[in-house]
Order: sequence, then C-alpha cells, then structure tokens
Amino acid sequence: ELKVEQNPLFLSMQEGKNYTIYCNYSTTSDRLYWYRQDPGKSLESLFVLLSNGAVKQEGRLMASLDTKARLSTLHITAAVHDLSATYFCAVTSTGNQFYFGTGTSLTVIP
Amino acid sequence: GAGVSQSPRYKVAKRGQDVALRCDPISGHVSLFWYQQALGQGPEFLTYFQNEAQLDKSGLPSDRFFAERPEGSVSTLKIQRTQQEDSAVYLCASSLDAWLVGLNTEAFFGQGTRLTVV
Repeated sequence: ELKVEQNPLFLSMQEGKNYTIYCNYSTTSDRLYWYRQDPGKSLESLFVLLSNGAVKQEGRLMASLDTKARLSTLHITAAVHDLSATYFCAVTSTGNQFYFGTGTSLTVIP
Repeated sequence: GAGVSQSPRYKVAKRGQDVALRCDPISGHVSLFWYQQALGQGPEFLTYFQNEAQLDKSGLPSDRFFAERPEGSVSTLKIQRTQQEDSAVYLCASSLDAWLVGLNTEAFFGQGTRLTVV
C-alpha cells in the first residue's frame, strides 16, 4: 500500500518568516497534489504537480516535486495569518484513489 | 450547482441507527469519490464511481457501508447499524472525466458531512 508521510505535523511560525513542509511517499507516483483545509471546510486544491522537477507558485506558496526522491515540498514565503490552515499532500497511483498524508497544521502568529 | 454539495452537513446518530449521506457532484462530472476523514487524519478512500458504475469499493470498511449512484449523478452513502468508530467526516469529490484518463487530474471536494455516532 502506498504510504504518504508529511512533516512536520504541526507548525507554528511567525508572520514574515519562511518555512517548508515536506511530503514523502513510498512508491512510484507521477501525480502529486497539495490541498488546503480550513476548519470545518472542504479541501481546496492548491497545486497539481505532474512531472519530475515540476515547480508551481501561487502567491506566497511554492510547490516542487522530485519523483526520483519521492519527495515534494511546499515552501511558504513571508507567512501571513491568512495562511493558517491544514495542508495535505496526496498522491495517486494506478488505482482510483488519492493517498493522503496526515496533514500539517500550520498556525501563523503575529 | 457551482460546486460539490453534500447533505446533511451534520448528522448525529444513535448507535445501531442507519444513516444516508447525500452527494450532489458538479453537473456533468463523470467521476465521483467518497472519502472518510477521521479527526486529525487525512482523508481515506472509500469508493469510486464512473457514471453509475461503482468501479472500486476497496476502501469500504465493512459490509455495513453501501454506496450507490443509480443515474450517474447524485450519490448516496449508506451506513447501516452505525458504530462509534464510524464517527468521521465523509467527503465526496467529483471529477470531470474518468479518473486519471488523459489530462484529467483535478478532483473537487464537497464540504463533507460530519457524522457523530453516540
């Protein structure tokens, strides 16, 4: 079974600081997703990474994918309070499902 | 509608009661998924439909769980004889085309139904 691990699980960071969330997965996958979830809300798609070396940026978030290392990163630049949420990575394999990580709960403090 | 709609948003059931959770996918979407999200965890796959066909039910945890999508649009997830371990948020997602076919890569999630079994 495909395993997806995220770290850290909890992240408290000051406004204006930079940080990176890591996502490792156990078997070959060519699609990696990052989602954001606010409390009581659904999953909001942030990025879809489809190939090795893919890098996508939106605002203060940048995601990258290294399929050889089975690693994706979500980099946060100059954090602001609005980024406080739980972030999930997910991968797909040959089946019909996403395999989600356990999530990283991010709190940005003034 | 504009997005995936689920109802009810919250459901409290007594242990042993049957429940039915509804999902209205985005109009015209071929693929429909159900996921279960326990508190503090990532969502876990339950089942997948392509139109009205249930192509994958490998994630259903027991035979108390049943899902249907009879006309290829609205789907219902039914849980019989609910147990406390069934307490979770049940998420529905839909995707435009058959999953992972060609350029189809996006799935859109509903807000979920929070089920609490007491």
